[in-house]
Amino acid sequence: DAMVIQNPRYQVTQFGKPVTLSCSQTLNHNVMYWYQQKSSQAPKLLFHYYDKDFNNEADTPDNFQSRRPNTSFCFLDIRSPGLGDAAMYLCATSRDGLEGSGANVLTFGAGSRLTVL
Amino acid sequence: GQNIDQPTEMTATEGAIVQINCTYQTSGFNGLFWYQQHAGEAPTFLSYNVLDGLEEKGRFSSFLSRSKGYSYLLLKELQMKDSASYLCAVMDSNYQLIWGAGTKLIIKP
Repeated sequence: DAMVIQNPRYQVTQFGKPVTLSCSQTLNHNVMYWYQQKSSQAPKLLFHYYDKDFNNEADTPDNFQSRRPNTSFCFLDIRSPGLGDAAMYLCATSRDGLEGSGANVLTFGAGSRLTVL
Repeated sequence: GQNIDQPTEMTATEGAIVQINCTYQTSGFNGLFWYQQHAGEAPTFLSYNVLDGLEEKGRFSSFLSRSKGYSYLLLKELQMKDSASYLCAVMDSNYQLIWGAGTKLIIKP
């Protein structure tokens, strides 16, 4: 089945210790997104790639970086996690991000839950 | 600023009908989405509305009024598995998704 796979599902790290979260997709979608979601809050977009074109949200801290080495994979690097970075990190894909149509339906991975000690 | 408003929490009875409202103020409009999110899981797509009116999909229906900046999600014949958060999201003129904080729906037997 075509899908979006995130690893690891659960990540525990220490304050300041770098973390990398990965996302892979078999949908061949052009657009990949990274969201941060805290309990009972809306998902917050960190960045997205339209193909290889990287788009950083203005309020995404420099502590967060991303890489998309090819169409299928995307990584989220948190360089120095703080207690406030504990959250669920959601990777999502869409076929096309530039049309107001069903092409913008997001398919999410199961998420990576980050705990910072 | 742009914002999406939806009730924080709602309670309904198994077998009943519930309507979850969403009002929005955004810079332009390119469609409204409803997603379902079970606790600790990723959101899954439920519906998409870009024209005024009602879209029906089995037990779930979604309504849109662009002139009023208003949508609702209607769930019929509620089942215990419908207990989840329901997220409303609007695509603005820049094709950016603006998300609501979600409505937690609690189903009681």
